[in-house]
Amino acid sequence: DSGVTQTPKHLITATGQRVTLRCSPRSGDLSVYWYQQSLDQGLQFLIQYYNGEERAKGNILERFSAQQFPDLHSELNLSSLELGDSALYFCASSPQTFLGEKLFFGSGTQLSVL
Amino acid sequence: DAKTTQPPSMDCAEGRAANLPCNHSTISGNEYVYWYRQIHSQGPQYIIHGLKNNETNEMASLIITEDRKSSTLILPHATLRDTAVYYCIVRVVSINTDKLIFGTGTRLQVFP
Repeated sequence: DSGVTQTPKHLITATGQRVTLRCSPRSGDLSVYWYQQSLDQGLQFLIQYYNGEERAKGNILERFSAQQFPDLHSELNLSSLELGDSALYFCASSPQTFLGEKLFFGSGTQLSVL
Repeated sequence: DAKTTQPPSMDCAEGRAANLPCNHSTISGNEYVYWYRQIHSQGPQYIIHGLKNNETNEMASLIITEDRKSSTLILPHATLRDTAVYYCIVRVVSINTDKLIFGTGTRLQVFP
């Protein structure tokens, strides 16, 4: 158990819909990262938050957004869903944003868009 | 962003050492090398990381060449439970960014 909690574990929805994925980082971790893993793209970095502020952006679509709340949990919002958005979405956390620290990953949310 | 190159797959006999190579020829001086593994569709699991010196922990050893252009992850006594996809990653950190860039990884199959 990494200590990072992601909910829900599975999500099935239809095209055009909007969903919210939730991540609770390890206790005390200030930094949260979101990754998307699809069969043909591997693990893609989406976005990182540090202590409530966006710090780094990767291959995140404009239809996707995220935020980190004062209690440090984070939510990833996916809107106008398309079939191609079906993927595993992972959240990771680390104490700070620092070269020498480890990232701990949650068990992921499996999103299926039908 | 620094990129890594790994062989797509490797086999290893149970009980033997598994040596997984990684090339990262464009790595910068302040970028760390991280290794993670993923078993089935579980969340990636941290194994080890290093900057320039060799590192060892309870799971594995990391050997980084002097020029830092390549590294090798060593699982000293592979077990069936070590069957997984192993990712060699360069962590890119600057004022405006902090991210682990995953490559395609090496699928390690440990056989009895």
